[in-house]
Amino acid sequence: QVQLKESGPGLVQPSETLSLTCTVSGFSLTSYGVNWVRQPPGKGLEWMGTIWNDGSTDYNSALKSRLSISRDTSKSQVFLKMNSLQTEDTAIYLCARVLTYYGYNYFDYWGQGVMVTVSS
Amino acid sequence: DIQMTQSPSLLSASVGDRVTLSCKASQNIYKYLNWYQQKLGEAPKLLIYYTNSLQTGIPSRFSGSGSGTDYTLTISSLQPEDVATYFCQQYNSWLTFGSGTKLEIK
Repeated sequence: QVQLKESGPGLVQPSETLSLTCTVSGFSLTSYGVNWVRQPPGKGLEWMGTIWNDGSTDYNSALKSRLSISRDTSKSQVFLKMNSLQTEDTAIYLCARVLTYYGYNYFDYWGQGVMVTVSS
Repeated sequence: DIQMTQSPSLLSASVGDRVTLSCKASQNIYKYLNWYQQKLGEAPKLLIYYTNSLQTGIPSRFSGSGSGTDYTLTISSLQPEDVATYFCQQYNSWLTFGSGTKLEIK
């Protein structure tokens, strides 16, 4: 069955770089895109970016200068790197598979998320 | 960027009530609108895609409607397991989520 699982450090120092991994199973990264979404504690969802099945990427304009999404298809892994972290980047970070066809575009499977705290 | 405004932010209703949640876009999004349900401590779950298409496995008491800038998620008969926060998401121009409506049982 389709599964996504996020992993990474729970605590990051301010100004440092966040590195997260989304490991997927049950589907191929060359057939589906994967998104990163984050959710500050008690708040709403913010789309961060997408890596498409062809390897191309799209980023939220508010994060584009700090964000990079890449993948290793042989390992079924998608990576997020974001630099210059600040306390307001404290959030649950989630990855989600995107289904796109015939004008539809939606996240049909999600990981459970990983909590990242930015603090010294 | 397209802004999505959900109302109300908190809704309290009784079991069996018909419940309506609203989502308003800052510009026409041509029905490119999805709805997700997020229960406490869980990842979001897709309920409705492209305004009114019910995701497989979702109970038929959930329905969506709307056009232009105004969209609605309706629960025809509220059940205790529907307690959650509901988010709308537009994909007409990039991706934006609404701030959510928290639904609780009265």
